[in-house]
Parts: sequence; C-alpha cells; structure tokens
Amino acid sequence: DAKTTQPTSMDCAEGRAANLPCNHSTISGNEYVYWYRQIHSQGPQYIIHGLKNNETNEMASLIITEDRKSSTLILPHATLRDTAVYYCIAGSSNTGKLIFGQGTTLQVKP
Amino acid sequence: DTGVSQDPRHKITKRGQNVTFRCDPISEHNRLYWYRQTLGQGPEFLTYFQNEAQLEKSRLLSDRFSAERPKGSFSTLEIQRTEQGDSAMYLCASSSRTGMGTEAFFGQGTRLTVV
Repeated sequence: DAKTTQPTSMDCAEGRAANLPCNHSTISGNEYVYWYRQIHSQGPQYIIHGLKNNETNEMASLIITEDRKSSTLILPHATLRDTAVYYCIAGSSNTGKLIFGQGTTLQVKP
Repeated sequence: DTGVSQDPRHKITKRGQNVTFRCDPISEHNRLYWYRQTLGQGPEFLTYFQNEAQLEKSRLLSDRFSAERPKGSFSTLEIQRTEQGDSAMYLCASSSRTGMGTEAFFGQGTRLTVV
C-alpha cells in the first residue's frame, strides 16, 4: 500500500472552502484514493474515494492530479461540525484494507 | 439498518485477564475488518474476514489475539492475558466487496483500559 503525506494541521474559517492536500507519489495503478474523517471519540467516517477522475458527492469533492501523485479534498462550505482529523489513504480495492497515517487535524473557526 | 455495532463500548480489565469484544456488521456486508487505535495515532489494521474466512492478519496481531467470524455474520476479537500495552480503542468496520473501490463503515469502537 502506498504511503500518503498530509499536513499535520490546518485552520479554516466557517463558511469558507476547506482544501486539504495529500501526496501519494508511490500510488500504484490499482490503488484508490480514499478520504475518511474522525471526530473525537467516534469511529472514522467515509467521505469520498476516487481512482483517476475527480469525484463529488454531498459531502465533498475530490480532485486527483493527472499523474495521480497528489489529491485535494474540498469541503465547499466548512462548518464547525467539520472540525475533525482527516485521513487520506491510498488503498487497494482487492482487500479493502485501509492503512491510516497521522491525518490532518482541521480546525474550523467561527 | 443501524450500521456497524460494537459491544461493549468501554471495558476496564485487570492485567492478565482475557477480554472479548463483539462486532455486528451491516447485514449485507461480506467483509469485516478490525483495527486498533491508540491515543493520537491513526487506526492500525489488525485483520479482516471475507465471509467466514480470515484472509489477512497483521503482524500487530500477536498470538494472544484471536478473531473469529462464525457463519460470516458477527465477529469476535479476543485478547488473552491482557497487558497494559493493549489499552486502545478497537474499531470494527464492514464493507461489500466491489470492483470499484470499497467504502468501509466503522462502528463506534470498544475502548479497552488495562489496569
């Protein structure tokens, strides 16, 4: 499984877009990019995933570079409830196993 | 469907005792995963099942740990002769096997404290 690199922490103003970067330069062709988040003392929550194309759902958008070596998770209008640790994971669709790193702690401020 | 359910939510045990945790996955999901999370760290993969078959075990899963998934439904994780280093949150997740990436749903976890 490819290793991912994320900033340790980020701040975002409430109502503004939060853009969370992730590097996964060793990602292989069959590995997806997954994003999960974890609010304190809860289990991780799935946000979005993608292989090559950009993806959007009701929670967020995922932008993957053409070379697939990095991606950005976009929360279009961050709220205080979006304060959490965000994990970017490059994982195989064969096993579904997720290798979590340290993640990015996003603090949304009023 | 109420999602992935774990029981108990909290467990305090004395060092050397055995503990068992239960996970009930989402009913139509054939894959089930166990993870462990210590304070300030991301979850670490322990093992996973496809139906009743245990297909992969992490090196983190010492011989004091055993997991089962009889009949491919609920799963149990047992820790024998607990040690203080076993104190952690134990998370269970389930998913459906698809060819388009796998979205996993996590339970709320069982927090184990070994005293």
